[in-house]
Amino acid sequence: NAGVTQTPKFQVLKTGQSMTLQCAQDMNHEYMSWYRQDPGMGLRLIHYSVGAGITDQGEVPNGYNVSRSTTEDFPLRLLSAAPSQTSVYFCASSYNLAASYNEQFFGPGTRLTVL
Amino acid sequence: DQQVKQNSPSLSVQEGRISILNCDYTNSMFDYFLWYKKYPAEGPTFLISISSIKDKNEDGRFTVFLNKSAKHLSLHIVPSQPGDSAVYFCAAIPVSTGNQFYFGTGTSLTVIP
Repeated sequence: NAGVTQTPKFQVLKTGQSMTLQCAQDMNHEYMSWYRQDPGMGLRLIHYSVGAGITDQGEVPNGYNVSRSTTEDFPLRLLSAAPSQTSVYFCASSYNLAASYNEQFFGPGTRLTVL
Repeated sequence: DQQVKQNSPSLSVQEGRISILNCDYTNSMFDYFLWYKKYPAEGPTFLISISSIKDKNEDGRFTVFLNKSAKHLSLHIVPSQPGDSAVYFCAAIPVSTGNQFYFGTGTSLTVIP
């Protein structure tokens, strides 16, 4: 049981490049989410999904796309990277957040730098 | 607009003493609260939670207190240990959606041996 895995661990992009941050979980969790962590800002929700085929925006969705074609995977796409997207990105999952306010399990994070 | 606030960015405590981490929130619709612990280069891990129907929840050395009228919660760690040194985030979930966590900005705890 690997829990929540994220790839890559580190990434450097140039402004305007696109890329996909990968997230997978093997716990059969319905709920998955993406956060970014910035100094002094805590963790801010980018997008989330309550099940395969269902996604919604969080606090800071601009510049990011997501899709949820399977229960296991929840990739985050940066369409045209900007320096303001330099951050640490965390993926998280939980069994069924809405029903029972379960705790979220977090991945180890991806440190992204946009030059 | 930060709905969950942790006003102390850092806290230092001697080993064996009590650590008290504070969190304030503004949204009265929040009905479930959690504390997460984060070590450098790792993802946050769940520590303890409390429902709004309670005012206290204990788990070993960790106790969370909730004061709904003051919109305030606190995490007490007794006794503090050097391994407790980490960043602590509080989080809240509103009744209306139940789908979004709102996190505070974090408090970095250092336990001095």
